[in-house]
Amino acid sequence: DAGITQSPRYKITETGRQVTLMCHQTWSHSYMFWYRQDLGHGLRLIYYSAAADITDKGEVPDGYVVSRSKTENFPLTLESATRSQTSVYFCATQLAGGRGETQYFGPGTRLLVL
Amino acid sequence: AQSVSQHNHHVILSEAASLELGCNYSYGGTVNLFWYVQYPGQHLQLLLKYFSGDPLVKGIKGFEAEFIKSKFSFNLRKPSVQWSDTAEYFCAVNAGNYGGATNKLIFGTGTLLAVQP
Repeated sequence: DAGITQSPRYKITETGRQVTLMCHQTWSHSYMFWYRQDLGHGLRLIYYSAAADITDKGEVPDGYVVSRSKTENFPLTLESATRSQTSVYFCATQLAGGRGETQYFGPGTRLLVL
Repeated sequence: AQSVSQHNHHVILSEAASLELGCNYSYGGTVNLFWYVQYPGQHLQLLLKYFSGDPLVKGIKGFEAEFIKSKFSFNLRKPSVQWSDTAEYFCAVNAGNYGGATNKLIFGTGTLLAVQP
């Protein structure tokens, strides 16, 4: 059972390029999330999705686009990468709604924007 | 706005020492509280969580945390740390009314724990 997979695990790109980070889950969890992890900031929510075709902004959505046409996939696209988007990106899932539900995290994608 | 504060950014302990990591949040309503751990090179894993009931929560690997509502705190404790506890620890709160949604976790900035053998 793979759980949550993220690809690529490492990515180097240049400013202005479009980059897509993939997240795939095998659990059929309803909710999916994208976070970025930066030193001194902890994890910050970029976007989340409550179900297929339902997405909403988090704390730091600018410069990112998401889609969720299928329950199991939640790609994150940087439309025109900037150096400030150098970060570690984590995808997470949650079985259902509810404040006490646990979020499960993927292995992360390390992105370097030159 | 809701926030989570972890005042200890770096902690260095010797094996067998006791651990307490502070976590304070700002939110006046009902909250759910979580501690996640990130071992070097790995993804975040849930250590424990508070949903309701007993404010003393037991987690995996001998960790526990106490929810003190009057102090808006959820400190993580372990009586005797091991070298394998070296990791980064994140406190998080799910404040139900945040932004109208119920599933947005707000994370603290993390505490890096180094345990010396």
